[in-house]
Amino acid sequence: SAVISQKPSRDICQRGTSLTIQCQVDSQVTMMFWYRQQPGQSLTLIATANQGSEATYESGFVIDKFPISRPNLTFSTLTVSNMSPEDSSIYLCSVTEGDRVAHFGPGTRLTVT
Amino acid sequence: KQEVTQIPAALSVPEGENLVLNCSFTDSAIYNLQWFRQDPGKGLTSLLLIQSSQREQTSGRLNASLDKSSGRSTLYIAASQPGDSATYLCAVTRGSTLGRLYFGRGTQLTVWP
Repeated sequence: SAVISQKPSRDICQRGTSLTIQCQVDSQVTMMFWYRQQPGQSLTLIATANQGSEATYESGFVIDKFPISRPNLTFSTLTVSNMSPEDSSIYLCSVTEGDRVAHFGPGTRLTVT
Repeated sequence: KQEVTQIPAALSVPEGENLVLNCSFTDSAIYNLQWFRQDPGKGLTSLLLIQSSQREQTSGRLNASLDKSSGRSTLYIAASQPGDSATYLCAVTRGSTLGRLYFGRGTQLTVWP
């Protein structure tokens, strides 16, 4: 199964700044998915990232706030822009392989002060 | 909009007990349903995947059932162990894109020796 790594594993950021989260997969995948898990809440899909095209955002999420890059078939970045304390969450990237099982990275724990 | 509900929110049991975790979803038009466990700081680990055409899946001490018509799934854990302590998440696939998932809030399980 796919092995997914994320950087950083955690960060503490100040309000108004931006953070870019990296996701690396050990195999080529068509689609990568970014999720957010706010404290005490379930995971919510932010966007789907396809290589060579713009990401597709879910309702409630916009590109200006969460720009995503997908330069190749094994890598993606999610930027959390102009952060506020409400952005404090765990951010996870995910891929689904031919077995249809969703595999997740270890997550990035973001705290905004 | 698909909504996924998990009951109970938390469960604390002594080692050796057999457990049932419940998941319900509002839209029966799903492609598959997956059960995950989430350990602090370790992302999500896939436990079982049930295709919409299947009724159950088994892996070791775990058994998951699916009743798509009633919008319900259960995860049965036999002979629970302290190492089973984690948060268990249920997720259904959104539309036709594998990897786009709706999650429940999870059941936090504690198994004490």
